[in-house]
Amino acid sequence: GQNIDQPTEMTATEGAIVQINCTYQTSGFNGLFWYQQHAGEAPTFLSYNVLDGLEEKGRFSSFLSRSKGYSYLLLKELQMKDSASYLCAVRDSNYQLIWGAGTKLIIKP
Amino acid sequence: IAGITQAPTSQILAAGRRMTLRCTQDMRHNAMYWYRQDLGLGLRLIHYSNTAGTTGKGEVPDGYSVSRANTDDFPLTLASAVPSQTSVYFCASSEIPGTGGSGELFFGEGSRLTVL
Repeated sequence: GQNIDQPTEMTATEGAIVQINCTYQTSGFNGLFWYQQHAGEAPTFLSYNVLDGLEEKGRFSSFLSRSKGYSYLLLKELQMKDSASYLCAVRDSNYQLIWGAGTKLIIKP
Repeated sequence: IAGITQAPTSQILAAGRRMTLRCTQDMRHNAMYWYRQDLGLGLRLIHYSNTAGTTGKGEVPDGYSVSRANTDDFPLTLASAVPSQTSVYFCASSEIPGTGGSGELFFGEGSRLTVL
């Protein structure tokens, strides 16, 4: 079966750095996405990785290793507004998206 | 403002009733999707459409139907609602995956449905 694993919940301090991991087992690979979802709101796109390596976008970076079936989302200089759930999703060989259950990130002052 | 509009945003209905959730996008995306999101579970695909006139079944299609008469609209119908269909429903759209670009999904604001 296809599976995406990510931690259920993480806590970090304002101003710090946090890394949210995602491991996957899917039938084929056509890209990995990270989305942010604030409570009661829709998911919004953060990043896309299709090749191995690091993609940086301001305070957020995403890393992919296809051989290890592994990605992480790195958030720097954490702000209170970063408190949200972070969803990892992989596009399989049929171009269908497989979603993880999400990681709830709690930021403390 | 371009995007996806869902209606209603919230609804309570009795079991056995018929319900249609509406979804309209103005980004001219070919692909549209309906997901449900339940606590502790990832987004689960109900139905999708890669172009007007075609639809396909996702991971959890039972009890739901969709139609795609044109590019912009993708309504989801519950023919006879049951309590297990209580959930938050998200409509999304994208460029066709694999045709260039990331094909990221754009989501509507969600429809919170409670079936009693």
